[in-house]
Amino acid sequence: QVQLAQSGAEVKKPGSSVKVSCVLSGGTFDNHAIYWVRQAPGQGLDWMGALVPIFGLSNYAQNFRGRLLITTDESSLTAYMDLTGLTSDDTAIYFCARGLRVGGGIDVWGQGTTVTVSS
Amino acid sequence: EIVMTQSPVTLSVSPGERVNLSCRASQSIRNHLAWYQQKPGQAPSLLIEAASTRAAGVPARFSGSGSGTEFTLTISSLLSEDFAVYYCQHYNNWPYSFGQGTRLEIK
Repeated sequence: QVQLAQSGAEVKKPGSSVKVSCVLSGGTFDNHAIYWVRQAPGQGLDWMGALVPIFGLSNYAQNFRGRLLITTDESSLTAYMDLTGLTSDDTAIYFCARGLRVGGGIDVWGQGTTVTVSS
Repeated sequence: EIVMTQSPVTLSVSPGERVNLSCRASQSIRNHLAWYQQKPGQAPSLLIEAASTRAAGVPARFSGSGSGTEFTLTISSLLSEDFAVYYCQHYNNWPYSFGQGTRLEIK
């Protein structure tokens, strides 16, 4: 069974950065895209960005460009989401996810990591 | 950037009823559409991809239809476990945006 296990909750100060990790088990990154999706309290799903490790291609939603970096370490089957310049608006649950293929729906989700930004 | 719009925002229905949830894309996405179910405190779960293909293990009471800009998720006979929030998402081109969701409530 393919699973994604995310790192634990974080509390950060405004202006700081957060790095969330996501370990894949039971599968590989090959021929799949990796996504990060966030959900603010009581709100819907917000697509942040994607990485296709096999091609080295990445894309970031407009409102995250310049402060979001998605990377993978294939030797440890770990994906990372690095978000800088945090504000209170970044308080949310952050999900990593793996697509069915390059393109296509998302069939594997991490459990979510709560990031709280507060002074 | 493609904008996905779902309707209604909230739907109050009774168990056993049939429901149709709507999703509209701001431009054609062919059949590059997925539907997800999300229950409180859980990650989303894939129901449908390619507009009409059920994901593995998804019950047959869930079906999807549509292409281009108009899509529908149908639940033929609601069970208690189906009361949740449903999201559509396109994957036609990056960014793969989500709709704002439709909440199914028990009437």
